[in-house]
Amino acid sequence: SAVISQKPSRDICQRGTSLTIQCQVDSQVTMMFWYRQQPGQSLTLIATANQGSEATYESGFVIDKFPISRPNLTFSTLTVSNMSPEDSSIYLCSVAGGSPETQYFGPGTRLLVL
Amino acid sequence: DAKTTQPPSMDCAEGRAANLPCNHSTISGNEYVYWYRQIHSQGPQYIIHGLKNNETNEMASLIITEDRKSSTLILPHATLRDTAVYYCIVSSGGSNYKLTFGKGTLLTVNP
Repeated sequence: SAVISQKPSRDICQRGTSLTIQCQVDSQVTMMFWYRQQPGQSLTLIATANQGSEATYESGFVIDKFPISRPNLTFSTLTVSNMSPEDSSIYLCSVAGGSPETQYFGPGTRLLVL
Repeated sequence: DAKTTQPPSMDCAEGRAANLPCNHSTISGNEYVYWYRQIHSQGPQYIIHGLKNNETNEMASLIITEDRKSSTLILPHATLRDTAVYYCIVSSGGSNYKLTFGKGTLLTVNP
């Protein structure tokens, strides 16, 4: 399985600001995913990021709020823009590998918006 | 992807087997059953997956009924570190696959 790291591991931000979360993988992967886990809730998929193409967003998530970059096969970023307290969540990236595809998750970024 | 139903919580004594059930009555022929767990506030950890045969790895065993409408994850000798939320997910595992997480089962292993 892939080794996945995320930066920052946690942050406290002021409303109206933006935060960029980085996800680094130790091997080349085609598919990367970004999830959000709100307090006390399960994980919700934000978008799928494939290298060389635009990210595909799930219903309820838009590119202006959560822009994603995927510059190469080992790295991706998720930006949480114009933050409000409702954006306080754990943000997780994952990568897919194997056959059938299995997802492996990073440790998450804990975001608190004041 | 098919919907899954899991009990919200279960208890297990340390050293005993933990048997976590999952119903997935609408599973289609090309969908796999995946199990993940999430220890408090960490990223989900992949445990095991199966299509129709029973599977075993170093972490757990997965028993899938013959009609594939339900499955059971077995942790043979539960430890306190196995306390976590366990998610049963059904997915096609194809190139465009997604994981849809439900609420899962909170397994508490008691000393």
